[in-house]
Amino acid sequence: DAGVIQSPRHEVTEMGQEVTLRCKPISGHNSLFWYRQTMMRGLELLIYFNNNVPIDDSGMPEDRFSAKMPNASFSTLKIQPSEPRDSAVYFCASSFRTAQETQYFGPGTRLLVL
Amino acid sequence: GESVGLHLPTLSVQEGDNSIINCAYSNSASDYFIWYKQESGKGPQFIIDIRSNMDKRQGQRVTVLLNKTVKHLSLQIAATQPGDSAVYFCADQAAGNKLTFGGGTRVLVKP
Repeated sequence: DAGVIQSPRHEVTEMGQEVTLRCKPISGHNSLFWYRQTMMRGLELLIYFNNNVPIDDSGMPEDRFSAKMPNASFSTLKIQPSEPRDSAVYFCASSFRTAQETQYFGPGTRLLVL
Repeated sequence: GESVGLHLPTLSVQEGDNSIINCAYSNSASDYFIWYKQESGKGPQFIIDIRSNMDKRQGQRVTVLLNKTVKHLSLQIAATQPGDSAVYFCADQAAGNKLTFGGGTRVLVKP
């Protein structure tokens, strides 16, 4: 099993640019999560999808952030325009059915906004 | 779990000794608890979980203890090895709610 796949692994961009992070969940998993990790705030849930439908997006910081899940095997997290304070590691995770099951994390995308 | 912000507690342990990592949670409605291990440059990796109808669960070299009365969770690692060096996160969840992560504890294994 390949596990959760994220791309890119590292992204360096300039303030104001659009950033798109990608995630492929574990095959057969119905729930997908996007997290952000920083030293200041730790791990924060940004958004949670179940069966490709956003269930809880209360953690999305502001309108600059958007997430989509067009099908069961792909999701994107987009930041437009990016700001230096968005610099963090962004993790995607998936679970088999619901949010109250073991979540398996991808390797993360380390984002640096200059 | 309760976030501790910038300060990351560190546990130094001698190789071969047992480690105990503690975690407090605040939501009395939480009924699912999980421990993750995160190595440098990697995503959190599932270690063990426990539901509120249990107070102890054992895995391979790891044991999780749950005390719902005082809202406390602990992870015990037997015969700690250098590969156990990592940051360990507890997380708790109430039905229908999101997983809440603690701030993490760094474990350093001394040879």
